[in-house]
Amino acid sequence: GAVVSQHPSWVICKSGTSVKIECRSLDFQATTMFWYRQFPKQSLMLMATSNEGSKATYEQGVEKDKFLINHASLTLSTLTVTSAHPEDSSFYICSARDWGWDEQYFGPGTRLTVT
Amino acid sequence: GENVEQHPSTLSVQEGDSAVIKCTYSDSASNYFPWYKQELGKRPQLIIDIRSNVGEKKDQRIAVTLNKTAKHFSLHITETQPEDSAVYFCAASREGNTPLVFGKGTRLSVIA
Repeated sequence: GAVVSQHPSWVICKSGTSVKIECRSLDFQATTMFWYRQFPKQSLMLMATSNEGSKATYEQGVEKDKFLINHASLTLSTLTVTSAHPEDSSFYICSARDWGWDEQYFGPGTRLTVT
Repeated sequence: GENVEQHPSTLSVQEGDSAVIKCTYSDSASNYFPWYKQELGKRPQLIIDIRSNVGEKKDQRIAVTLNKTAKHFSLHITETQPEDSAVYFCAASREGNTPLVFGKGTRLSVIA
Protein backbone atom coordinates (compact mmCIF):
# COMPACT_ATOMS: atom_id res chain seq x y z
CA GLY A 1 0.00 0.00 0.00
CA ALA A 2 0.88 3.67 -0.18
CA VAL A 3 3.24 5.04 2.48
CA VAL A 4 3.00 8.31 4.35
CA SER A 5 5.74 9.48 6.67
CA GLN A 6 5.57 12.14 9.32
CA HIS A 7 8.34 14.00 11.10
CA PRO A 8 9.08 14.39 13.90
CA SER A 9 7.43 11.48 15.69
CA TRP A 10 7.47 13.41 18.94
CA VAL A 11 8.48 16.90 20.00
CA ILE A 12 8.59 18.84 23.23
CA CYS A 13 8.58 22.61 23.02
CA LYS A 14 8.23 25.55 25.35
CA SER A 15 5.11 27.64 25.55
CA GLY A 16 5.19 30.50 23.04
CA THR A 17 7.44 28.81 20.51
CA SER A 18 6.49 27.39 17.11
CA VAL A 19 6.73 23.82 15.91
CA LYS A 20 6.68 22.50 12.34
CA ILE A 21 5.43 19.02 11.49
CA GLU A 22 6.09 17.50 8.06
CA CYS A 23 3.92 14.99 6.26
CA ARG A 24 5.26 13.25 3.15
CA SER A 25 3.78 10.79 0.70
CA LEU A 26 6.64 8.50 -0.27
CA ASP A 27 5.33 6.58 -3.25
CA PHE A 28 2.32 8.42 -4.60
CA GLN A 29 1.15 11.91 -5.41
CA ALA A 30 -0.88 13.34 -2.57
CA THR A 31 -3.22 15.76 -4.28
CA THR A 32 -5.05 16.13 -0.98
CA MET A 33 -3.75 15.95 2.54
CA PHE A 34 -5.71 16.09 5.75
CA TRP A 35 -4.55 17.10 9.20
CA TYR A 36 -6.17 15.59 12.29
CA ARG A 37 -5.71 16.14 15.98
CA GLN A 38 -6.39 13.45 18.55
CA PHE A 39 -6.60 14.08 22.28
CA PRO A 40 -6.20 11.16 24.71
CA LYS A 41 -9.06 8.66 24.55
CA GLN A 42 -10.83 10.68 21.87
CA SER A 43 -11.48 10.31 18.18
CA LEU A 44 -9.62 11.92 15.32
CA MET A 45 -10.83 15.46 14.76
CA LEU A 46 -10.26 16.98 11.34
CA MET A 47 -8.40 20.26 11.51
CA ALA A 48 -8.00 21.13 7.85
CA THR A 49 -7.95 19.88 4.29
CA SER A 50 -5.21 20.98 1.95
CA ASN A 51 -5.02 20.58 -1.79
CA GLU A 52 -1.67 20.94 -3.49
CA GLY A 53 -1.05 24.49 -4.58
CA SER A 54 -4.06 26.01 -2.85
CA LYS A 55 -4.93 27.39 0.53
CA ALA A 56 -6.06 24.99 3.18
CA THR A 57 -9.69 24.74 4.21
CA TYR A 58 -9.99 24.84 7.98
CA GLU A 59 -12.71 23.25 10.05
CA GLN A 60 -14.87 25.42 12.24
CA GLY A 61 -13.12 26.33 15.44
CA VAL A 62 -9.60 25.78 14.13
CA GLU A 63 -7.59 28.99 14.02
CA LYS A 64 -5.91 29.31 10.65
CA ASP A 65 -3.41 31.88 11.96
CA LYS A 66 -2.33 29.51 14.71
CA PHE A 67 -2.16 26.31 12.66
CA LEU A 68 -0.40 27.21 9.45
CA ILE A 69 -0.68 24.61 6.71
CA ASN A 70 1.38 24.59 3.55
CA HIS A 71 0.97 22.07 0.75
CA ALA A 72 3.49 23.33 -1.77
CA SER A 73 4.22 20.07 -3.54
CA LEU A 74 2.46 16.82 -4.40
CA THR A 75 4.45 14.94 -1.77
CA LEU A 76 4.79 17.35 1.14
CA SER A 77 2.50 19.20 3.49
CA THR A 78 3.54 20.98 6.65
CA LEU A 79 1.65 22.02 9.75
CA THR A 80 3.16 24.76 11.88
CA VAL A 81 1.77 25.28 15.34
CA THR A 82 2.56 28.91 16.15
CA SER A 83 2.84 30.33 19.65
CA ALA A 84 2.16 26.93 21.12
CA HIS A 85 0.41 26.61 24.46
CA PRO A 86 0.02 23.59 26.76
CA GLU A 87 -3.55 23.06 25.49
CA ASP A 88 -2.08 22.43 22.02
CA SER A 89 -0.42 19.30 23.37
CA SER A 90 -1.92 16.48 21.37
CA PHE A 91 -1.30 13.73 18.82
CA TYR A 92 -1.27 15.22 15.32
CA ILE A 93 -1.83 12.86 12.39
CA CYS A 94 -1.80 13.59 8.70
CA SER A 95 -3.34 11.56 5.95
CA ALA A 96 -3.05 11.74 2.20
CA ARG A 97 -4.70 10.49 -0.93
CA ASP A 98 -4.45 10.94 -4.65
CA TRP A 99 -7.24 12.24 -6.84
CA GLY A 100 -10.02 9.72 -7.28
CA TRP A 101 -8.97 7.50 -4.41
CA ASP A 102 -11.37 6.65 -1.63
CA GLU A 103 -8.80 5.39 0.81
CA GLN A 104 -6.68 7.76 2.83
CA TYR A 105 -3.23 6.75 4.02
CA PHE A 106 -2.22 7.90 7.45
CA GLY A 107 1.13 9.06 8.72
CA PRO A 108 2.45 7.61 11.99
CA GLY A 109 1.53 10.74 13.93
CA THR A 110 3.44 13.36 15.91
CA ARG A 111 3.05 13.67 19.64
CA LEU A 112 3.43 17.31 20.63
CA THR A 113 3.98 18.27 24.23
CA VAL A 114 4.06 21.95 25.11
CA THR A 115 5.57 22.78 28.50
CA GLY B 1 -22.18 18.14 7.09
CA GLU B 2 -21.72 14.48 7.83
CA ASN B 3 -22.22 13.16 11.35
CA VAL B 4 -21.17 9.65 12.33
CA GLU B 5 -22.44 8.02 15.52
CA GLN B 6 -20.73 4.90 16.86
CA HIS B 7 -21.85 2.42 19.52
CA PRO B 8 -20.92 1.04 21.94
CA SER B 9 -18.09 3.17 23.30
CA THR B 10 -16.63 0.17 25.14
CA LEU B 11 -17.06 -3.54 24.53
CA SER B 12 -15.68 -6.50 26.43
CA VAL B 13 -15.95 -10.01 25.04
CA GLN B 14 -14.55 -13.38 25.95
CA GLU B 15 -11.91 -14.78 23.67
CA GLY B 16 -13.56 -16.74 20.88
CA ASP B 17 -16.81 -14.79 21.03
CA SER B 18 -18.00 -12.35 18.38
CA ALA B 19 -17.92 -8.57 18.62
CA VAL B 20 -20.24 -6.19 16.80
CA ILE B 21 -19.80 -2.44 16.50
CA LYS B 22 -22.44 -0.27 14.90
CA CYS B 23 -22.33 3.12 13.20
CA THR B 24 -24.91 5.42 11.70
CA TYR B 25 -24.29 8.30 9.32
CA SER B 26 -26.35 11.30 8.32
CA ASP B 27 -25.23 12.26 4.81
CA SER B 28 -27.03 10.18 2.20
CA ALA B 29 -24.34 11.17 -0.33
CA SER B 30 -21.62 9.36 1.64
CA ASN B 31 -20.47 6.32 -0.26
CA TYR B 32 -17.25 5.12 1.35
CA PHE B 33 -17.22 3.50 4.79
CA PRO B 34 -13.90 2.33 6.23
CA TRP B 35 -13.13 0.79 9.60
CA TYR B 36 -9.89 1.45 11.41
CA LYS B 37 -8.09 -0.24 14.28
CA GLN B 38 -5.89 1.98 16.39
CA GLU B 39 -3.46 0.84 19.03
CA LEU B 40 -2.20 3.24 21.66
CA GLY B 41 0.08 5.91 20.23
CA LYS B 42 -0.09 4.55 16.69
CA ARG B 43 -1.73 5.51 13.45
CA PRO B 44 -5.16 4.16 12.51
CA GLN B 45 -4.89 0.99 10.44
CA LEU B 46 -7.49 0.25 7.81
CA ILE B 47 -8.94 -3.19 8.50
CA ILE B 48 -11.84 -3.27 6.06
CA ASP B 49 -13.91 -0.89 3.98
CA ILE B 50 -17.10 -0.97 1.99
CA ARG B 51 -18.52 1.14 -0.76
CA SER B 52 -22.15 2.04 -1.20
CA ASN B 53 -22.75 -0.29 -4.10
CA VAL B 54 -22.09 -3.31 -1.88
CA GLY B 55 -24.13 -4.60 1.05
CA GLU B 56 -21.58 -6.85 2.71
CA LYS B 57 -17.89 -7.57 2.60
CA LYS B 58 -15.87 -10.19 4.43
CA ASP B 59 -12.18 -10.70 5.04
CA GLN B 60 -11.40 -13.76 7.14
CA ARG B 61 -12.70 -13.04 10.66
CA ILE B 62 -13.83 -9.52 9.84
CA ALA B 63 -16.99 -8.51 8.02
CA VAL B 64 -18.79 -5.25 7.38
CA THR B 65 -22.43 -4.80 6.46
CA LEU B 66 -24.03 -1.68 5.02
CA ASN B 67 -27.68 -0.68 4.98
CA LYS B 68 -27.93 2.41 2.80
CA THR B 69 -31.63 2.88 3.37
CA ALA B 70 -31.23 3.00 7.11
CA LYS B 71 -27.82 4.72 6.86
CA HIS B 72 -26.03 2.35 9.13
CA PHE B 73 -23.08 0.02 8.85
CA SER B 74 -21.61 -2.51 11.22
CA LEU B 75 -18.33 -4.27 11.91
CA HIS B 76 -18.39 -7.91 12.87
CA ILE B 77 -15.36 -9.68 14.31
CA THR B 78 -15.70 -13.42 14.84
CA GLU B 79 -13.55 -15.74 16.93
CA THR B 80 -12.02 -12.80 18.75
CA GLN B 81 -8.46 -13.02 20.01
CA PRO B 82 -6.63 -10.97 22.65
CA GLU B 83 -4.68 -9.19 19.90
CA ASP B 84 -7.97 -7.81 18.60
CA SER B 85 -8.05 -5.58 21.69
CA ALA B 86 -7.76 -1.97 20.48
CA VAL B 87 -9.86 1.05 19.66
CA TYR B 88 -11.94 0.73 16.52
CA PHE B 89 -13.22 3.70 14.52
CA CYS B 90 -15.80 3.81 11.78
CA ALA B 91 -15.75 6.62 9.24
CA ALA B 92 -17.68 7.89 6.25
CA SER B 93 -16.96 10.12 3.29
CA ARG B 94 -18.27 11.19 -0.09
CA GLU B 95 -16.50 10.83 -3.40
CA GLY B 96 -13.76 13.20 -4.39
CA ASN B 97 -11.40 14.96 -2.08
CA THR B 98 -13.74 15.13 0.87
CA PRO B 99 -12.39 14.19 4.28
CA LEU B 100 -13.34 11.19 6.36
CA VAL B 101 -15.64 11.89 9.27
CA PHE B 102 -14.93 9.56 12.17
CA GLY B 103 -17.11 8.04 14.83
CA LYS B 104 -16.03 8.47 18.44
CA GLY B 105 -14.50 5.03 18.65
CA THR B 106 -15.11 1.75 20.44
CA ARG B 107 -12.62 0.36 22.90
CA LEU B 108 -12.69 -3.42 22.45
CA SER B 109 -11.25 -5.66 25.14
CA VAL B 110 -10.93 -9.36 24.44
CA ILE B 111 -10.55 -11.29 27.66
CA ALA B 112 -8.52 -14.46 27.52
